Amino acid sequence: QVQLEQSGAELKKPGSSVKVSCKASGGPFETYAINWVRQAPRQGLEWMGGISPHILGSTTYAENFKGRLTITAEEPTTTVYLELSGLVSDDTAIYYCVKNITGSYVLWGQGTMVTVSS
Amino acid sequence: DIQMTQSPSSLSPSVGDRVIMTCRASQTIYTHLNWYQQKPGKAPTLLISAASTLHSGVPVRFSGSGSGTHFTLIISSLHPDDFATYYCQQSDTVPYNFGQGTKLEIK
Repeated sequence: QVQLEQSGAELKKPGSSVKVSCKASGGPFETYAINWVRQAPRQGLEWMGGISPHILGSTTYAENFKGRLTITAEEPTTTVYLELSGLVSDDTAIYYCVKNITGSYVLWGQGTMVTVSS
Repeated sequence: DIQMTQSPSSLSPSVGDRVIMTCRASQTIYTHLNWYQQKPGKAPTLLISAASTLHSGVPVRFSGSGSGTHFTLIISSLHPDDFATYYCQQSDTVPYNFGQGTKLEIK
């Protein structure tokens, strides 16, 4: 069964960047999109953006993150990356990659805790 | 952007109770509505897609309904394992916003 395996926790300084990976065990992402969702401590879920590797790697980003969020996919497409720059304390959150099948998030990674602190 | 509003924000039902929670969209999303369950310290899991389609492996005590702007998640008879936070999410238009959640707390 396919699982999404994310990279480990990160501690970053304000102003720096973070790159989180999401690897599909069991083979390439094939014909589905990977989205990213984050959750700040004791808060709700926030959609960040996504990539469709099977559609020429097309990406879409939430307006809140445009200019500092980059989502990429590695060829062959087994790993997707989220890179967030210009980190501030409000970026402290758990970052989840999710398998998107026609708009439904059918599978979630285990989450990556990113802490931004001086 | 489409805003999603859930109510109530929290509930304290008892095991065996019928639980109803709602989700409203700021504009029509047809049936492009998903429900997720999240337990403390865990990633969310998909319960229902397309407003009413039960995801594989989800117990039949969960059901969803609605279309347009008003949606409902019902748990017909609450089990101890159901105490969690429930989120709705629209998948009609980017950004695919979530509601703020409904937390079921043990009384």
